Amino acid sequence: AQSVAQPEDQVNVAEGNPLTVKCTYSVSGNPYLFWYVQYPNRGLQFLLKYITGDNLVKGSYGFEAEFNKSQTSFHLKKPSALVSDSALYFCAVRSDSWGKLQFGAGTQVVVTP
Amino acid sequence: ETGVTQTPRHLVMGMTNKKSLKCEQHLGHNAMYWYKQSAKKPLELMFVYSLEERVENNSVPSRFSPECPNSSHLFLHLHTLQPEDSALYLCASSQGQGGGIQYFGAGTRLSVL
Repeated sequence: AQSVAQPEDQVNVAEGNPLTVKCTYSVSGNPYLFWYVQYPNRGLQFLLKYITGDNLVKGSYGFEAEFNKSQTSFHLKKPSALVSDSALYFCAVRSDSWGKLQFGAGTQVVVTP
Repeated sequence: ETGVTQTPRHLVMGMTNKKSLKCEQHLGHNAMYWYKQSAKKPLELMFVYSLEERVENNSVPSRFSPECPNSSHLFLHLHTLQPEDSALYLCASSQGQGGGIQYFGAGTRLSVL
């Protein structure tokens, strides 16, 4: 079985401050990890993924995520948040090559001017 | 635009109605998915089609009936729905079953009265 947890329903941050969205996972075998973002009235948009290789993954819009195997975490980070980063962020995990993603419940990010 | 188009964007139907949701992908992918997104809940995978063959059915009630006539089109036929079926229905596509990224449509917001 595989699962993913996003412990925070909402993260509030001031514009210009660092942004972190937390994600922990549980899988058997090696994880494939993804972050998606959803803006209002839109579908999910891919941000970045970790399959193998460097633990620090860089993605779209200045976002990055760090894979930590010992802590089974894949936190999303951005050094300086923008108001336009306000959206719903989803972490997802897959334990093998099959395309069945397990999504977290999502974290609402609110960036205030 | 992600290359995945869903119609209609909004749908209101009574419990005795029959309607269909349509998804079309212009990305040349060979796998397509239906997800259900309800407030405060993780995305629920409903159906997966790979090479036009259904390969996943996650205990979805029979009042939801998928159809994949070709690799570019996916339908979700709805009949005798319940109010708890009101949600955002998302379609996605990917290339293969490996570490491929899933691309999502904007979704159909369904309200069952």
